[in-house]
Amino acid sequence: RKEVEQDPGPFNVPEGATVAFNCTYSNSASQSFFWYRQDCRKEPKLLMSVYSSGNEDGRFTAQLNRASQYISLLIRDSKLSDSATYLCVVEPNTGGFKTIFGAGTRLFVKA
Amino acid sequence: DTAVSQTPKYLVTQMGNDKSIKCEQNLGHDTMYWYKQDSKKFLKIMFSYNNKELIINETVPNRFSPKSPDKAHLNLHINSLELGDSAVYFCASSPTTTGLAKNIQYFGAGTRLSVL
Repeated sequence: RKEVEQDPGPFNVPEGATVAFNCTYSNSASQSFFWYRQDCRKEPKLLMSVYSSGNEDGRFTAQLNRASQYISLLIRDSKLSDSATYLCVVEPNTGGFKTIFGAGTRLFVKA
Repeated sequence: DTAVSQTPKYLVTQMGNDKSIKCEQNLGHDTMYWYKQDSKKFLKIMFSYNNKELIINETVPNRFSPKSPDKAHLNLHINSLELGDSAVYFCASSPTTTGLAKNIQYFGAGTRLSVL
């Protein structure tokens, strides 16, 4: 089993739709979780950290389910500008500064 | 006032050559990384330095040698380039603090390496 797994997509949704992505991780001792966004031919950028209690930032909501070892990202009222690849990132708590990136989920929002 | 800058942005070279990629961050971070993103877009960590000390060294051919002259710089030298080295190489940095912030990484724009 891969350390971090994501559905590669692509997810094709119309503007205004709600879309959700899941990401599973294998190390139950993992401590920190993040969602990054990567636009085509650009560098990854932090979208949001994922807190144990779940957190929201505008149209974006992140959830953590430790029992089932997955994190989720919900995007409400999708915009054309949300089209990107969304990377799930997990710190496996092996000490040090290592983080594991998922392969990403591609999202296309169409007019 | 770019936070993490890499040079060059594009690198096209022949097999067997030796090349270097430079990275500098002006964020005052203690930790820097090199990642490789291949054609399948999978982002894989190669190396990490904390205060000029190597702390992560993944399974990478020893043709790849990182060098950190100070904590604001992390360069990557590649010897005897091979076709399979073609990829985008990203430099990143993160602060050394406690809590969640220590693993938030800031990436450079990437270096697109093509080996012919």
